[in-house]
Amino acid sequence: DAKTTQPNSMESNEEEPVHLPCNHSTISGTDYIHWYRQLPSQGPEYVIHGLTSNVNNRMASLAIAEDRKSSTLILHRATLRDAAVYYCIPPLTSGTYKYIFGTGTRLKVLA
Amino acid sequence: GAVVSQHPSRVICKSGTSVKIECRSLDFQATTMFWYRQFPKQSLMLMATSNEGSKATYEQGVEKDKFLINHASLTLSTLTVTSAHPEDSSFYICSVYPTGVRETQYFGPGTRLLVL
Repeated sequence: DAKTTQPNSMESNEEEPVHLPCNHSTISGTDYIHWYRQLPSQGPEYVIHGLTSNVNNRMASLAIAEDRKSSTLILHRATLRDAAVYYCIPPLTSGTYKYIFGTGTRLKVLA
Repeated sequence: GAVVSQHPSRVICKSGTSVKIECRSLDFQATTMFWYRQFPKQSLMLMATSNEGSKATYEQGVEKDKFLINHASLTLSTLTVTSAHPEDSSFYICSVYPTGVRETQYFGPGTRLLVL
């Protein structure tokens, strides 16, 4: 199964960009890389996903390394509402469509 | 993204009783839904895969007779915690895997279960 490595926690100042890294060096196949975030006492919220090239949406940008072994979630201007645990979900394994959550990165945004 | 609802959002029950949690997909049909459990300060742990029209498949270590899953329609899956005990107190979250959109799961808001 594909595994991911993320820093346990990161801090950012409000209004500044944040780069959240994820290492998924065991990636294989052509499955998508997904990012979710979870605010306290809520279910995970979809942020973005991508396959090979960089992706942008209204919430964030996703930069995927050329070898697809790592990716970076970019929040262009962090706000206090972006404080959450961010999960990088490895590509789906064995066609089961199951997500296996790691520990994620707890992002703290400083006012 | 898809809208997923869970009911109830919070439930308190006595030890030994059973509790049913509903997960509804409001935007998409889903032959596959998932149930997760999350203890305080921990990550989500996948419990089982709910399959419409067939038996659920459970992850290793999850008791299928204790956590009954019924996926009766393409928009509804239920998780029943039978004979609940205080150690079953947790945050239960479902996700929907929209049929035909085999890329992304969408999660419900979660159900907080407290067993006294």
